[in-house]
Amino acid sequence: KNEVEQSPQNLTAQEGEFITINCSYSVGISALHWLQQHPGGGIVSLFMLSSGKKKHGRLIATINIQEKHSSLHITASHPRDSAVYICAVRSNTGNQFYFGTGTSLTVIP
Amino acid sequence: SQTIHQWPATLVQPVGSPLSLECTVEGTSNPNLYWYRQAAGRGLQLLFYSVGIGQISSEVPQNLSASRPQDRQFILSSKKLLLSDSGFYLCAWSTPGQGSRNTIYFGEGSWLTVV
Repeated sequence: KNEVEQSPQNLTAQEGEFITINCSYSVGISALHWLQQHPGGGIVSLFMLSSGKKKHGRLIATINIQEKHSSLHITASHPRDSAVYICAVRSNTGNQFYFGTGTSLTVIP
Repeated sequence: SQTIHQWPATLVQPVGSPLSLECTVEGTSNPNLYWYRQAAGRGLQLLFYSVGIGQISSEVPQNLSASRPQDRQFILSSKKLLLSDSGFYLCAWSTPGQGSRNTIYFGEGSWLTVV
């Protein structure tokens, strides 16, 4: 079993739709990260969370530490949001990060 | 500001040939450094990580090795590539310790095709 599970694996949405990607983890963490990977392969960090909720523009990330669950929401989705979104956690017992397998999002105009 | 560079971006190598991927970090000192491999449809697999010069931890037995000759330089190598070594390789760094502000930064990635 993976330390980090994401759902859905693939997601197709119409432009303007509200999108939710879910992440569950099974290890103790010091922080949870949402990453974005574009087709070229480069990965950028969108959010780092240790509690509560963060918002950047149309993106919102929440985390429930007790339930070991996080969600990434995209409001008013746009074709440029099309990418793979990866949930990652940093272990609280070492220097390791654990990664979900990613959610491939396609937003259709 | 901190930056991370990884090269080459793409390479095609014959089976049995050597490999060297290099990663350097700028703007920070004593970073934790990581090499990951990403296979199609799978998550990032940790290959090696390093908390200091000459300190390398290997997560999976494999045909690859890593070295950290300088504080901000991390090299992924192989003496003889296998077909199964093909994939997308990512270097990353994070600040050491368990502070809640410690994020992870990735290089641009290297696409390796072994033929």
